Amino acid sequence: KAGVTQTPRYLIKTRGQQVTLSCSPISGHRSVSWYQQTPGQGLQFLFEYFSETQRNKGNFPGRFSGRQFSNSRSEMNVSTLELGDSALYLCASSLAAGSGETQYFGPGTRLLVL
Amino acid sequence: QKEVEQDPGPLSVPEGAIVSLNCTYSNSAFQYFMWYRQYSRKGPELLMYTYSSGNKEDGRFTAQVDKSSKYISLFIRDSQPSDSATYLCAMKEIGANSKLTFGKGITLSVRP
Repeated sequence: KAGVTQTPRYLIKTRGQQVTLSCSPISGHRSVSWYQQTPGQGLQFLFEYFSETQRNKGNFPGRFSGRQFSNSRSEMNVSTLELGDSALYLCASSLAAGSGETQYFGPGTRLLVL
Repeated sequence: QKEVEQDPGPLSVPEGAIVSLNCTYSNSAFQYFMWYRQYSRKGPELLMYTYSSGNKEDGRFTAQVDKSSKYISLFIRDSQPSDSATYLCAMKEIGANSKLTFGKGITLSVRP
């Protein structure tokens, strides 16, 4: 069974631009969560989607948004990019939403903002 | 105070050593405890998953949870160079959401 896939793997943008990252969960998984990983802050939760609905949101500004499609694929968007948005963005999928579910991570998209 | 604190490292040990990795936490609502391993330029990979207090063993890996002390540990026996990676502890509250709260991770290097 294929794992979580994320595209693109690497991205370079300039300040003020916007970016869209994509995540395809493991087949059959309906919950997708997004995390930001930086050397300074570590892994931080962005948001979680289940059945096309945002279930939970982390403490990030409104420039960070996401959505989930009917096939469970998810996208996250960052508008008006700032230098501090440079990070590894990780997507994780699980069968369903809920604290008992195991989350499986993708390889991440590394975003560099110049 | 951060919800989850993890020894910052880095940690370097000789091959065959027993490795002890630790995290403390402040949120009493955490009920699920995990250890992830992350190799360079890869996503985190789940190693151990424990619900509530107790011990869990899987091969060379043992996870311990002490909820009374708000302390979790991962032990690696007979460490191998292939164990060289960043180890992250993660925790979840019980409930309907999947949010993981992570420690910052510790980089382990096992010297041949």
